[in-house]
Amino acid sequence: DGGITQSPKYLFRKEGQNVTLSCEQNLNHDAMYWYRQDPGQGLRLIYYSQIVNDFQKGDIAEGYSVSREKKESFPLTVTSAQKNPTAFYLCASSNLQETQYFGPGTRLLVL
Amino acid sequence: GNSVTQMEGPVTLSEEAFLTINCTYTATGYPSLFWYVQYPGEGLQLLLKATKADDKGSNKGFEATYRKETTSFHLEKGSVQVSDSAVYFCALRLNTGGFKTIFGAGTRLFVKA
Repeated sequence: DGGITQSPKYLFRKEGQNVTLSCEQNLNHDAMYWYRQDPGQGLRLIYYSQIVNDFQKGDIAEGYSVSREKKESFPLTVTSAQKNPTAFYLCASSNLQETQYFGPGTRLLVL
Repeated sequence: GNSVTQMEGPVTLSEEAFLTINCTYTATGYPSLFWYVQYPGEGLQLLLKATKADDKGSNKGFEATYRKETTSFHLEKGSVQVSDSAVYFCALRLNTGGFKTIFGAGTRLFVKA
């Protein structure tokens, strides 16, 4: 079964802690994306990567970091610099200039 | 700049009613247009798409027509069901380079039995 997996489904962060959200795809897509969704709002782009070992900031990259060491993996770290991290995080992937497909999401909550 | 504007929700309908969710866009060039659906606690699923003017995308009884003259891509369904309750996102992707997709704010639909 081809698809995008995100883990964990729920994640709790303590103040001052960095946490990492996992995103894996087996669709052989070149591009991967991270979005943040707040209640009642649309999606905002955090980071995207068009190719392995390369990534670009999106509209709200501050307080986040990513890596793209493998084609199938694009983990997102929410650092302690992100002061309002509570949100629903969505990972997506696509081939170049094609439709984006989404994972099931990770909900991050602050303790 | 490039943007997508959707009608504000929530939209509340009775089962078997006709649905329209308006979507208009601003874009340079000739974008591809999409509707995604999000069920509670889940990611977005592609519902339908259209890649050029006058194309009609359709899926699961939903349809939308790419209208270049009015820069619109309104979503319609003739008879909604309770199971259609979800948030619907209109989106565009520029086809002149770049990989970003721009999403509207989403419209929540409630369908009552």
